[in-house]
Amino acid sequence: DVKVTQSSRYLVKRTGEKVFLECVQDMDHENMFWYRQDPGLGLRLIYFSYDVKMKEKGDIPEGYSVSREKKERFSLILESASTNQTSMYLCASNPPGSDTGELFFGEGSRLTVL
Amino acid sequence: RKEVEQDPGPFNVPEGATVAFNCTYSNSASQSFFWYRQDCRKEPKLLMSVYSSGNEDGRFTAQLNRASQYISLLIRDSKLSDSATYLCVTKGGGSYIPTFGRGTSLIVHP
Repeated sequence: DVKVTQSSRYLVKRTGEKVFLECVQDMDHENMFWYRQDPGLGLRLIYFSYDVKMKEKGDIPEGYSVSREKKERFSLILESASTNQTSMYLCASNPPGSDTGELFFGEGSRLTVL
Repeated sequence: RKEVEQDPGPFNVPEGATVAFNCTYSNSASQSFFWYRQDCRKEPKLLMSVYSSGNEDGRFTAQLNRASQYISLLIRDSKLSDSATYLCVTKGGGSYIPTFGRGTSLIVHP
């Protein structure tokens, strides 16, 4: 079974703090994604990566950065957390050219910024 | 305009009912279509792919209408455990990134 593991299920941070959200997948997938999900807005793509050290901006990259130093790990960084970044963050992966379209999601990291 | 549109609901139905959701997409070049299910406070999981000829998986039937650019999901004999949010997803048209709708909430009550 594909396993996508997000390091923290729940985090509470203060405005201005630097926040790291880690995601690891064990299926050797090339593609990895970071989404945030908010009520009424659905899933919105923040960043994605199709290979080690490669990254592309998604729909809402402002205020975020990412790191992909190893194939299995894709990190999301909030350089200076703000209250409007309170959200559920979901990491996902899939193999390249995946015609099934199936994304394998982690369990999510619920971040609260005070 | 969002690329993938869904009625957010909630659809409130009794056990045993048949319920159908529609989803419209704006990118005519979309090539792949899917339904995901998301339980409350959980991650989305693939429910089923949607094929051009329509396909069925137990109580679930998915249909694609390319001419009108919509996808449907029919659930027969609803169970309490079907209560969830159903996300419509498209892929293709020059991008390998799936595009998610905002989801339709289903509540099945006794």
